[in-house]
Amino acid sequence: GAGVSQSPSNKVTEKGKDVELRCDPISGHTALYWYRQSLGQGLEFLIYFQGNSAPDKSGLPSDRFSAERTGGSVSTLTIQRTQQEDSAVYLCASSLGDRGYEQYFGPGTRLTVT
Amino acid sequence: AQSVAQPEDQVNVAEGNPLTVKCTYSVSGNPYLFWYVQYPNRGLQFLLKYITGDNLVKGSYGFEAEFNKSQTSFHLKKPSALVSDSALYFCAVTPGSARQLTFGSGTQLTVLP
Repeated sequence: GAGVSQSPSNKVTEKGKDVELRCDPISGHTALYWYRQSLGQGLEFLIYFQGNSAPDKSGLPSDRFSAERTGGSVSTLTIQRTQQEDSAVYLCASSLGDRGYEQYFGPGTRLTVT
Repeated sequence: AQSVAQPEDQVNVAEGNPLTVKCTYSVSGNPYLFWYVQYPNRGLQFLLKYITGDNLVKGSYGFEAEFNKSQTSFHLKKPSALVSDSALYFCAVTPGSARQLTFGSGTQLTVLP
């Protein structure tokens, strides 16, 4: 079946611009996660959605970062006023449930801020 | 707060030999433990997990891992390495009370022909 898809695969933007990254989870998966992978910081949790519950935003590094999940499916991660330190690969994952369920990852969006 | 240590940045092994990639963890309560593999320019691919039960868990592509509570370890193993196993391996943990994964720094495995 179809896995997690993310778009775009690559994004180059100028410092100060806003960007939107999209994630399509596996159909039927109720939990959705965003992570960031960078050379200096490794893999970091950003935000988590489960069903209709309020998202867990505890990993967002600043208020320039936000995310939404529409209709319990597609999610968009928005970074406002991008900075060079935002350059990283942004990974989306989904799972059937939360505790104990393995997460399935998309291929990621490589963001480069110039 | 939970943490994961992968003490080896790089592991080299000859094809056909057994391989071990080490992982130790720190977490409050019972841990849920995972191994993922990442090939170049790809996302993470799930290999196996330990939630409860038998300490030896088997996963994809012939990999297995042993949960050792006293040593707080969850080492990844394979009896006979393949060149195609060369990739970046991540160990991850979450306490039963949480959802998001905390990852180790990764171990680059190179299997030499």
